[in-house]
Amino acid sequence: GQQLNQSPQSMFIQEGEDVSMNCTSSSIFNTWLWYKQDPGEGPVLLIALYKAGELTSNGRLTAQFGITRKDSFLNISASIPSDVGIYFCAGQGTSGSRLTFGEGTQLTVNP
Amino acid sequence: SAVISQKPSRDICQRGTSLTIQCQVDSQVTMMFWYRQQPGQSLTLIATANQGSEATYESGFVIDKFPISRPNLTFSTLTVSNMSPEDSSIYLCSVEDLGSLLYNEQFFGPGTRLTVL
Repeated sequence: GQQLNQSPQSMFIQEGEDVSMNCTSSSIFNTWLWYKQDPGEGPVLLIALYKAGELTSNGRLTAQFGITRKDSFLNISASIPSDVGIYFCAGQGTSGSRLTFGEGTQLTVNP
Repeated sequence: SAVISQKPSRDICQRGTSLTIQCQVDSQVTMMFWYRQQPGQSLTLIATANQGSEATYESGFVIDKFPISRPNLTFSTLTVSNMSPEDSSIYLCSVEDLGSLLYNEQFFGPGTRLTVL
């Protein structure tokens, strides 16, 4: 079945630093999504990408849909303490179909 | 985006018993899904809840263990049957409304944290 490799597994950074994480797949996805999950909560959608090569920003977040449709990255600029949490990438084949999730990146931001 | 609620938010259950989790959406949605997130792990799809018909289960998940209902476009239930400690997980409902939009997004409920003793 489809698998997503997400890296790094964890990151420990200082407040104000930039962060980058990425996902790669063994197969093609038509949609890439990035979610953030806080402890005890469900994942919250951060950014959705629909076209190969697309670069999308949401505040301090920037994500790109790889040109091969097999990868995506998420950047967070000028990190703040509330950025702490687990970030998941997810790929979707067609609208309305299942999401395949990466293993997550645990982000810790030291003030 | 749709507002999704789940009940209960958490529960502690004895092995051998069953628990039914409810998912309520504030608007009609096309698709409803149930995911499981085991401790420290990522999310895995259990099944797609189909309105008016049997759910579509992913490999490794069966109806006898995880019966699902979806009586209308805003509500679904997942039952975890004959529970064992290995069923201790967060169970998450998600929705996606295909509607008339060109692009669609999948949103998640707050989850139900289940502990089986």
